[in-house]
Amino acid sequence: GAVVSQHPSRVICKSGTSVKIECRSLDFQATTMFWYRQFPKQSLMLMATSNEGSKATYEQGVEKDKFLINHASLTLSTLTVTSAHPEDSSFYICSAPVGQGPYEQYFGPGTRLTVT
Amino acid sequence: GENVEQHPSTLSVQEGDSAVIKCTYSDSASNYFPWYKQELGKRPQLIIDIRSNVGEKKDQRIAVTLNKTAKHFSLHITETQPEDSAVYFCAATRYGQNFVFGPGTRLSVLP
Repeated sequence: GAVVSQHPSRVICKSGTSVKIECRSLDFQATTMFWYRQFPKQSLMLMATSNEGSKATYEQGVEKDKFLINHASLTLSTLTVTSAHPEDSSFYICSAPVGQGPYEQYFGPGTRLTVT
Repeated sequence: GENVEQHPSTLSVQEGDSAVIKCTYSDSASNYFPWYKQELGKRPQLIIDIRSNVGEKKDQRIAVTLNKTAKHFSLHITETQPEDSAVYFCAATRYGQNFVFGPGTRLSVLP
């Protein structure tokens, strides 16, 4: 089946620094990828839709200058958390849809970000 | 936009009993409704899904029913096992875009 990878799986950074998270589709091409944030014991909240070759679409309330998304190729999307603060600590998960019919998404394993 | 509610938030059942989780959605144009199982610290995994042109779908011990008129869909797990313990999320989407997830149900299957 389709596989989505994420790197790193865990990252700890100091407040004020930037962190880049990579999301890769390993055996299929993804013109669209989705980025979610999940706080402890809460649901997945869609942050933005990453589009290959064009600007990402951000959900209401998500700062596009703080969460930079780049979809440089058909297999790679990156999320950069700029000037991270402790409140940005969360579990970030990407996903990619497979095919047009069933709309099934494959999720990456997630990245746990801790900002100290 | 779409809003998805999910109940109950926690559910405890005895091993071998059935578990039912219900979700409601607000956007009548949503046409795909997946259910995900997420274990602690892991990625969500699709366990079953249903499209708006189908009323029921079953896969072994798991089934999903959809009532388009009432805008609700339910997950049914029969003969529950301890390994079914996890957090379950429903979601709704229109053509695979802008997935909106329910708040989740923590299922505990007691041996």
